[in-house]
Formats: sequence, C-alpha cells, structure tokens
Amino acid sequence: EAQVTQNPRYLITVTGKKLTVTCSQNMNHEYMSWYRQDPGLGLRQIYYSMNVEVTDKGDVPEGYKVSRKEKRNFPLILESPSPNQTSLYFCASSLVSYNEQFFGPGTRLTVL
Amino acid sequence: AQSVTQPDIHITVSEGASLELRCNYSYGATPYLFWYVQSPGQGLQLLLKYFSGDTLVQGIKGFEAEFKRSQSSFNLRKPSVHWSDAAEYFCAVGALYNFNKFYFGSGTKLNV
Repeated sequence: EAQVTQNPRYLITVTGKKLTVTCSQNMNHEYMSWYRQDPGLGLRQIYYSMNVEVTDKGDVPEGYKVSRKEKRNFPLILESPSPNQTSLYFCASSLVSYNEQFFGPGTRLTVL
Repeated sequence: AQSVTQPDIHITVSEGASLELRCNYSYGATPYLFWYVQSPGQGLQLLLKYFSGDTLVQGIKGFEAEFKRSQSSFNLRKPSVHWSDAAEYFCAVGALYNFNKFYFGSGTKLNV
C-alpha cells in the first residue's frame, strides 16, 4: 500500500531533550516536506527536500533540522525542543513538488 | 510573502444543501492552487488542484472549484453536501517563484 508513515504518532517530552520524528514514504517520491499545524494558523511549512541531499527552509524553520540521506526517509530533528514547538506535525511527499502531496497521519508533540 | 485567506472558520450546512468555501490569495500572477480535506484525526487528502487552463476544476467526492483571477479567489463548491463531508478544508497555494514552497490557509471547519 502506498503510504507515508511517521513515528512516533504521539510524543511527550521535556524542554531541551533532543528528539527525532521519522518520516518514510514507499512511493519513490522525489519531494518531501514537513509541516506543523496549529489551531487558527493552518499548516506552515518547516523544511522541504527536492531530492536526496537537497533540502531547503520553509516558512518556519527555526529550531528544526532535517536530513535526506535516502530517497524514502526525511527525519525531522528537534535538537533542543521548547514549549512553543508543541504542535501537530505532518510529513508529506509527492512525485514532484507541484504535484499532489500525500500526507502522513501526523505526530502530536508536546514539549513540557 | 504570499498569503492565503480562508475567511470562514466554521460553516454549518444541512445535509443535501449546497456548499461554498471561500479562499483568497495574495498574488499578482496565477499561482498553483489546491484544496485539501482533513477528516478528524487524519492527514490531508487532495480534493483538486488548478495549474492553468479551464478555470472550473473538478475534483474528487463531487467537489469543484472555480479560479477567478480578478478576485484572486479559488472557492470550493459542492451542490449537495453529505454527512460524510464533515471535515476541515484547507486551501493552499504554491509559491510563485519557488515550486517547492507552499502556503496554506487557516482552514474552514465544516459541520453537516
């Protein structure tokens, strides 16, 4: 089944404790992206990747890192999480950037 | 920076009634336009997209949208709403000079 998977689905952590949210797609898509969803703000793009080893900042990249070492994986790294990063995070992928994006199920992160 | 406005936070319609969800964007030229739907606890699913050509676009689940350049709008419509259409709807725009960046509206929650 074609899908985008994210792990973990739920995470509660404390300020400053490094964490990684994994994202994997099995559709051989070139483009992958991370978004955060906050009430009243919709989705905001954090980082995106056009292909392996090619990443760039979205609208809200501060406090986040990404890497794209393999085509299928695009992990989101929070090296020192803060409470303002409490949010619902979505990973998405598409064949090319301006095509339909397929979204993962989301990761709900709480930073205490 | 580009922006997307969905003026209606919540809309309630009766089953069988028609629906129109509004979306306005801040561009001078024609961007790439998308409508996504998010069911409770789920990721987002593409309903339809507009790149160029016919300004009336048909999508899945009986939805359509009309691009109006003069009004910078891309409103979503459905002639007869079903209870299963209850969800949150997001309008999104691809950045004009960077096909890798996307801007989402704040969403409209539809109750049926």
